[in-house]
Amino acid sequence: SQQGEEDPQALSIQEGENATMNCSYKTSINNLQWYRQNSGRGLVHLILIRSNEREKHSGRLRVTLDTSKKSSSLLITASRAADTASYFCATDNVQAGTALIFGKGTTLSVSS
Amino acid sequence: GAGVSQSPSNKVTEKGKDVELRCDPISGHTALYWYRQSLGQGLEFLIYFQGNSAPDKSGLPSDRFSAERTGGSVSTLTIQRTQQEDSAVYLCASSLRGGTEEQYFGPGTRLTVT
Repeated sequence: SQQGEEDPQALSIQEGENATMNCSYKTSINNLQWYRQNSGRGLVHLILIRSNEREKHSGRLRVTLDTSKKSSSLLITASRAADTASYFCATDNVQAGTALIFGKGTTLSVSS
Repeated sequence: GAGVSQSPSNKVTEKGKDVELRCDPISGHTALYWYRQSLGQGLEFLIYFQGNSAPDKSGLPSDRFSAERTGGSVSTLTIQRTQQEDSAVYLCASSLRGGTEEQYFGPGTRLTVT
């Protein structure tokens, strides 16, 4: 069953604008991670936020986590054409343990 | 050091044939994962190896799918009697200690069943 679901499915913006992607999940988690995927190949880890954290920054990335709403957002500031990719959130499941569960992703297109 | 590598990068096979996909994780990583990604979809978990523990096979879609991890390192995903719906990108990832840590992904194997 799907644990994390990203919203929107697709997002098109201009260079320099900010991009916000959201992720909702269903069960209690230990942490939530965001990954980026270029050209349908391997994923690259962007950031991990733990369940006791509310906000985390990494360069132009800002991630928030609201465990009461079971949701997270990824903000990319001052976007660049190179940010064009698919972005996935991944959550664990406290009860199930083991592997991460990935959502279907948000496809971001940044045009110059 | 080297990242996760997968081979082949592309594989075209006829329906009914068996295929083997290989994954070389990052040296020293105890956990190894296999995922499947169909066109435009998210990642579907297949199987998870953690050290010497019994693998979590809960994501394997049918008994045509199996995987091994020899010596705690290289892993092979085998699909027997391939079907057209098996066409997808198969991604392998590893992590240092497993669980829900950051995962490092290989470039994937694109499997096409004709």
